[in-house]
Amino acid sequence: AQSVTQLDSQVPVFEEAPVELRCNYSSSVSVYLFWYVQYPNQGLQLLLKYLSGSTLVKGINGFEAEFNKSQTSFHLRKPSVHISDTAEYFCAVSEVGNQFYFGTGTSLTVIP
Amino acid sequence: DVKVTQSSRYLVKRTGEKVFLECVQDMDHENMFWYRQDPGLGLRLIYFSYDVKMKEKGDIPEGYSVSREKKERFSLILESASTNQTSMYLCASSFGGITTYTFGSGTRLTVV
Repeated sequence: AQSVTQLDSQVPVFEEAPVELRCNYSSSVSVYLFWYVQYPNQGLQLLLKYLSGSTLVKGINGFEAEFNKSQTSFHLRKPSVHISDTAEYFCAVSEVGNQFYFGTGTSLTVIP
Repeated sequence: DVKVTQSSRYLVKRTGEKVFLECVQDMDHENMFWYRQDPGLGLRLIYFSYDVKMKEKGDIPEGYSVSREKKERFSLILESASTNQTSMYLCASSFGGITTYTFGSGTRLTVV
């Protein structure tokens, strides 16, 4: 089974500063990679996904992520964060078949 | 847009009660999933289903059962609720193959 590691459980950042949320996974076989965002008291929404092709993936709300196969990483970035980006962010990995494996989440807090 | 609807946002039940959490999706998805979300533990898969009347155990099925009598509905059942089942419960659905999950808004269950 896969394991997904989000190294930072909490990330505080000032408004308009850049942010990177880190995600590493265990398997070196073909994988599909996802980032989800969860706003307070809501379900998870898809931010972006990597299935194949370009390793740099752009998502909603100005977020992007880069797939690095050699480092088994899929870090999420945003060049300038807003207050509204305060949320929980989950990295997820899927192999052949349908089951997703989720990381434990990173709580992003944007400070005015 | 696909909608995944969970019948209750907040639920309070007493220890020992039988609890039903309902999830309905409106896009003819084959696959449906139940997760629980706890701080520091991320999302953990309880049960999933790839078709009507089919069910598979996830990582933490103990104390839970499920029912899928119709394709659009996937119910999670707590046979005898206990305080350690206090959690956020998230339902998700997807088409077959490697596709994106769509999540419901979640049910926050408190067992007292």
